[in-house]
Amino acid sequence: GEDVEQSLFLSVREGDSSVINCTYTDSSSTYLYWYKQEPGAGLQLLTYIFSNMDMKQDQRLTVLLNKKDKHLSLRIADTQTGDSAIYFCAEKFGGGSNYKLTFGKGTLLTVNP
Amino acid sequence: GAVVSQHPSWVICKSGTSVKIECRSLDFQATTMFWYRQFPKQSLMLMATSNEGSKATYEQGVEKDKFLINHASLTLSTLTVTSAHPEDSSFYICSARGQGRDSGANVLTFGAGSRLTVL
Repeated sequence: GEDVEQSLFLSVREGDSSVINCTYTDSSSTYLYWYKQEPGAGLQLLTYIFSNMDMKQDQRLTVLLNKKDKHLSLRIADTQTGDSAIYFCAEKFGGGSNYKLTFGKGTLLTVNP
Repeated sequence: GAVVSQHPSWVICKSGTSVKIECRSLDFQATTMFWYRQFPKQSLMLMATSNEGSKATYEQGVEKDKFLINHASLTLSTLTVTSAHPEDSSFYICSARGQGRDSGANVLTFGAGSRLTVL
């Protein structure tokens, strides 16, 4: 079945880079996503990457995809205290109107001043 | 961009009552909406997929008679927790598929969530 794994915690100092890692199992996934959840709020899409890409950069965010190893990472450059949140990796499986997203358990990023 | 509004953001009710949560797509039409449940410090668990004009598709282990889903229009889906019990207390989040340039990626826009506490 589909499974997404993430480390649960990451702590960094303000200004450093953060790297959040994720592994997934469904090799047929077409899209992989990173969502951010602040306390008591819903999920905010940060970025996504198509499975035929290796890297995607969007301002401070860099997504790396190793399809062979089914490994996805999110790098946040110059991490700020406002980046403290839970980050969810998700993979899409299925197609048409019957697709679903499977989420990891989330990585709690704590940014220390 | 696409916005999904969820209401109420929090609700407290007595055991045995029913609670309705609304999910609205504000600036786009959503033929498909998803309902998730999130326990503290855990991931999102997909409960059901709601398609406009048809019956919802429930995930294994989710009681369809307990969690009633109605998707009567292209902008509104509702989740009703019937005869709520304390174990139903949770954070319920809806999402809808966005449209536009990201539609090919099936980008989901999430509501802010509804925290249900059953006493």
